Amino acid sequence: DSGVTQTPKHLITATGQRVTLRCSPRSGDLSVYWYQQSLDQGLQFLIQYYNGEERAKGNILERFSAQQFPDLHSELNLSSLELGDSALYFCASSSGQGDNSPLHFGNGTRLTVT
Amino acid sequence: GNSVTQMEGPVTLSEEAFLTINCTYTATGYPSLFWYVQYPGEGLQLLLKATKADDKGSNKGFEATYRKETTSFHLEKGSVQVSDSAVYFCALSRNYGGSQGNLIFGKGTKLSVKP
Repeated sequence: DSGVTQTPKHLITATGQRVTLRCSPRSGDLSVYWYQQSLDQGLQFLIQYYNGEERAKGNILERFSAQQFPDLHSELNLSSLELGDSALYFCASSSGQGDNSPLHFGNGTRLTVT
Repeated sequence: GNSVTQMEGPVTLSEEAFLTINCTYTATGYPSLFWYVQYPGEGLQLLLKATKADDKGSNKGFEATYRKETTSFHLEKGSVQVSDSAVYFCALSRNYGGSQGNLIFGKGTKLSVKP
């Protein structure tokens, strides 16, 4: 058990809809990272937050947004969903903001857009 | 830009066979290199890492050596077990100094070990 909790485990929704994925980092970790895993693109880094502030941005679409709250949990919001957004979304946490501290991954949220 | 290429799977081996999963990278500067493992239904776990040229990372019988001259970080294990069946990802960090946050992953190699 990595200590990172992601909810929900599965999500099925229709095109055009909006969903929110939630992540609770490991106790004491200040950084949260979001990754998207799809069959064609593999694992893609989306965005990182550290102690409530955005730290790094990767291949995140404008339709997607994220935030980290004062209690350090994070939410990834996906809007105007398309079929191609179907993927496994992972959250990871670490104690540092970009140092050598290891990443701890959650078990992911599987999003299916129909 | 930076990228990671790893051998395509699936790889199927018998128990106690020797394992090699090839990984090569393209990067500017001196990235750190990692192997992550994903067991069925779980998130990724760090398996091993190397932060500079000629470093050897090792864990649970797995090894990989950071070869700058060949830009490679091949994963090896001398004798695989059924419990090693998983998907293995090679990755490099965009940031210097071993940062793992902003990782570039390979596409993953699925390993199946038969008894």
